[in-house]
Amino acid sequence: QKEVEQNSGPLSVPEGAIASLNCTYSDRGSQSFFWYRQYSGKSPELIMFIYSNGDKEDGRFTAQLNKASQYVSLLIRDSQPSDSATYLCAVTGGSYIPTFGRGTSLIVHP
Amino acid sequence: EPEVTQTPSHQVTQMGQEVILRCVPISNHLYFYWYRQILGQKVEFLVSFYNNEISEKSEIFDDQFSVERPDGSNFTLKIRSTKLEDSAMYFCASSGPGEHQPQHFGDGTRLSIL
Repeated sequence: QKEVEQNSGPLSVPEGAIASLNCTYSDRGSQSFFWYRQYSGKSPELIMFIYSNGDKEDGRFTAQLNKASQYVSLLIRDSQPSDSATYLCAVTGGSYIPTFGRGTSLIVHP
Repeated sequence: EPEVTQTPSHQVTQMGQEVILRCVPISNHLYFYWYRQILGQKVEFLVSFYNNEISEKSEIFDDQFSVERPDGSNFTLKIRSTKLEDSAMYFCASSGPGEHQPQHFGDGTRLSIL
């Protein structure tokens, strides 16, 4: 059974700080890694995806992948109250169907 | 920016009734999916559809469920005889072309079974 683990949180950070969200996965054959943001009662919204080891930056967001440690993270710089949401990690392996984690709740307080 | 659209946004149905949830995927996408999310729980995969047939399905997707692509744009999920535990948000998603592409989700249909 493929597992994707996330700390449910909530992770609370002050406005302007860096939020660090973490995800571990069990399938060593995993190939693609996605971060989604989900506001309460809304659908998941794709933020970033990463396929290769290392960092990938897009604006205030940086995804970090370490396949040896089976670990992917999302950094949000200059966190804003509007970033408050649940962040879902999703991983695909031999099948292109992603396995979702339960999500980490992020609260950015002014 | 192209998006996945779902109708209706909210469906209320009596237990035992049939429901059809509708989706229009992004036009150049080739892979289509249905997910559900029970309130407070994780997003769960139901079924994927490629090349006019089911490519994968989960244990949740039993004989009560079916999917169809009746024309070139719509993608539907039918639940034949709804149960109370079918109450959830149902999300349609699409991706591609190419495997391992990010999935783009619709806004979802909130299904409430009474």
